[in-house]
Amino acid sequence: GDSVTQMEGPVTLSEEACLTINCTYTATGYPSLFWYVQYPGEGLQLLLKATKADDKGSNKGFEATYRKETTSFHLEKGSVQVSDSAVYFCALDSGAGSYQLTFGKGTKLSVIP
Amino acid sequence: EADIYQTPRYLVIGTGKKITLECSQTMGHDKMYWYQQDPGMELHLIHYSYGVNSTEKGDLSSESTVSRIRTEHFPLTLESARPSHTSQYLCASSSGGLGGYTFGSGTRLTVV
Repeated sequence: GDSVTQMEGPVTLSEEACLTINCTYTATGYPSLFWYVQYPGEGLQLLLKATKADDKGSNKGFEATYRKETTSFHLEKGSVQVSDSAVYFCALDSGAGSYQLTFGKGTKLSVIP
Repeated sequence: EADIYQTPRYLVIGTGKKITLECSQTMGHDKMYWYQQDPGMELHLIHYSYGVNSTEKGDLSSESTVSRIRTEHFPLTLESARPSHTSQYLCASSSGGLGGYTFGSGTRLTVV
């Protein structure tokens, strides 16, 4: 079945450091890929998405590129801020009519001043 | 503004009480979901619905029940709460397209 593996946290970075959170997936067919962010005490919010190979999703300075050859969708940001402290979830939609997202286990990011 | 609402945000109740967690969305989405989120942040699907009068259990066994009498409303009920039910409960909805899910803000339940 479908699965998503993302790097375990927690990840602690200093402000203005570079961020990479690794995400790899296993899926049949041609999935769509998502990154969600969960700020403390809140629900999940869609951060970015990509629906086909080589697509790059971007939002709020975050980027992720859909790499079919490596089955990856790594989240990157060039300069993190304290306000980026949150839990990040990678997810996929297999597009096979299941209507269910498969989520990774989440990576907690803490950014210190 | 289209959105998804969960009430209450926080709830502390005694063991054995019956509770209902509310979830409503204004987007006309057919698909709705309930997740339980453990302290380690992992999400566990406990119920889902693909339309009115359609409900299914998810991957994680749960003693809760759900109903879907109206498209916009998907309440979750615990008949007899126990301390093991203490958790964060997240509701989500989807149109089934490539837009992913829209999540509510969650209900943090504590059973004492």
